[in-house]
Amino acid sequence: DTGVSQDPRHKITKRGQNVTFRCDPISEHNRLYWYRQTLGQGPEFLTYFQNEAQLEKSRLLSDRFSAERPKGSFSTLEIQRTEQGDSAMYLCASSLSGSRTTLTDTQYFGPGTRLTVL
Amino acid sequence: SQQGEEDPQALSIQEGENATMNCSYKTSINNLQWYRQNSGRGLVHLILIRSNEREKHSGRLRVTLDTSKKSSSLLITASRAADTASYFCATVDYKLSFGAGTTVTVRA
Repeated sequence: DTGVSQDPRHKITKRGQNVTFRCDPISEHNRLYWYRQTLGQGPEFLTYFQNEAQLEKSRLLSDRFSAERPKGSFSTLEIQRTEQGDSAMYLCASSLSGSRTTLTDTQYFGPGTRLTVL
Repeated sequence: SQQGEEDPQALSIQEGENATMNCSYKTSINNLQWYRQNSGRGLVHLILIRSNEREKHSGRLRVTLDTSKKSSSLLITASRAADTASYFCATVDYKLSFGAGTTVTVRA
């Protein structure tokens, strides 16, 4: 399967612990996005990368959140000192875009990582 | 804040019937996309319609776009049990801005 993969699929942690999620995009895709989805809502944008550069971060991404894409391939999203409000599905997507202003690229989503903070 | 808003929030239909859902958005767009999400899973891209298009078809799906009303609709014809899912519209500005979705249940 050459789609977007995410690991782990489920994570249960205690409040205050740190967690890290991984996303492997489709291999030739240069853009990688992170979204968060809570129950009954649509996904909300968190951040995105063009190759290894992080180009935008949403105001939803507090300083407890950090994302990296060190070699322009896989990405990690770390949440430090987790809170119960961080419980959500974390979705990763990737796309192939020709320029920073390309507005028509299709994003392909992974299966998500469901985080539960106790 | 989310850009799109889908209507209705939930829809229950009999297998074989058509399902129609609407999406309204707030700002000018270059294109609008529809996605499907099966329970607890990732999103699957269904169709993209550009701002200069009024209607687009893909299999049993038909999407319309009215930029003057800032609205779009998704029609699923001859629904099947496998169409049971949540459907989201998303406006595109390199990132996707989703509404809360329409949950469709197709009864056998």
